[in-house]
Amino acid sequence: GQQLNQSPQSMFIQEGEDVSMNCTSSSIFNTWLWYKQDPGEGPVLLIALYKAGELTSNGRLTAQFGITRKDSFLNISASIPSDVGIYFCAGGNTGNQFYFGTGTSLTVIP
Amino acid sequence: NAGVMQNPRHLVRRRGQEARLRCSPMKGHSHVYWYRQLPEEGLKFMVYLQKENIIDESGMPKERFSAEFPKEGPSILRIQQVVRGDSAAYFCASSPSVWGTDTQYFGPGTRLTVL
Repeated sequence: GQQLNQSPQSMFIQEGEDVSMNCTSSSIFNTWLWYKQDPGEGPVLLIALYKAGELTSNGRLTAQFGITRKDSFLNISASIPSDVGIYFCAGGNTGNQFYFGTGTSLTVIP
Repeated sequence: NAGVMQNPRHLVRRRGQEARLRCSPMKGHSHVYWYRQLPEEGLKFMVYLQKENIIDESGMPKERFSAEFPKEGPSILRIQQVVRGDSAAYFCASSPSVWGTDTQYFGPGTRLTVL
């Protein structure tokens, strides 16, 4: 199956710093989703994007649907310790499955 | 409004036994998806079901694995004659409408360990 390329694979940052991660695909999608997964838990939906160029915020999180429809970006501003976790992107099209990225592991150093 | 529920949260089976994983979607959601996650890896799609119908099972192994979503009750992912390689976290997600255009909400997962 298709695999989305997510980068970076891991990040170690100081509390208060901003974070950027991205997800790229060789295929076009009409929906992009971003999830956060804590250890031992299921993924929790952070942001959903449905339109190319769309920029959507959820608190300190901002995600963008790339113009080419082949990529998406997630930014976290002023990171805090509870931002620690694994962030996954997912891309999908009408009538087809969602494909998930390999994840970005975020560690926030107090 | 309760979220997606999965049980059991942890399941231990010996090789050759059967594993049954249950998923109750969110209220009002009629679409269910099952995913498998190996340690340090992303989610891999297995099967997509609507009530009483399997829509897409392209990600599910051809043998030993089956899924159902009956008219009444939870969706069931069944693994027969489990092997050690089946050890993984299995997640269920649900959505209210056609997949690919709507968001999916995940349950807490069932962690299967095969001894």
